Amino acid sequence: GNSVTQMEGPVTLSEEAFLTINCTYTATGYPSLFWYVQYPGEGLQLLLKATKADDKGSNKGFEATYRKETTSFHLEKGSVQVSDSAVYFCALRDGTGGFKTIFGAGTRLFVKA
Amino acid sequence: SAVISQKPSRDICQRGTSLTIQCQVDSQVTMMFWYRQQPGQSLTLIATANQGSEATYESGFVIDKFPISRPNLTFSTLTVSNMSPEDSSIYLCSVGGQSYQETQYFGPGTRLLVL
Repeated sequence: GNSVTQMEGPVTLSEEAFLTINCTYTATGYPSLFWYVQYPGEGLQLLLKATKADDKGSNKGFEATYRKETTSFHLEKGSVQVSDSAVYFCALRDGTGGFKTIFGAGTRLFVKA
Repeated sequence: SAVISQKPSRDICQRGTSLTIQCQVDSQVTMMFWYRQQPGQSLTLIATANQGSEATYESGFVIDKFPISRPNLTFSTLTVSNMSPEDSSIYLCSVGGQSYQETQYFGPGTRLLVL
């Protein structure tokens, strides 16, 4: 079945550091890939997405490229801020299994001033 | 994108009781999903609720414990029945289009604590 694996947290960085959160997936078809963010005490928000191979999703300085050859969708940001402290979820959605979204375990990010 | 509201936003309940969570969407949607997020964990799909058909439950979730209604294209309810402390979680309503390229959007969640 489909699955998403992302790096374990927590990840602790200083402000302005470079961020990478690794995400790999297993899917029988050709899924769309998503990064969601959950700020403390809030629900999930879509951060970015990519719907086909080699697409790059970007938003708020975050980027991720859909790599079919390595089945990866790593999240990157060049300079993190304290306000980026949150839990980040990698996810996939495809046409099998009723179009449901499958989530990774989540990676908690702490950014220190 | 869809705007989703949930009621209640949080509740504290006694074991053995039931709670019904409401989900309202600002537009008509075909597919609605209910997820559970246990403390510090990822999201687990409980069931998919499409209007006009019975909800489809994921492995480990049963209708007697989590009955779902979907009376129209903008509304759904999830009931957590005969609650125990293990049911303490955030319950999230979600909507998504019938294309895998479309994003699923999430409500703010209902934070449930069972004593």
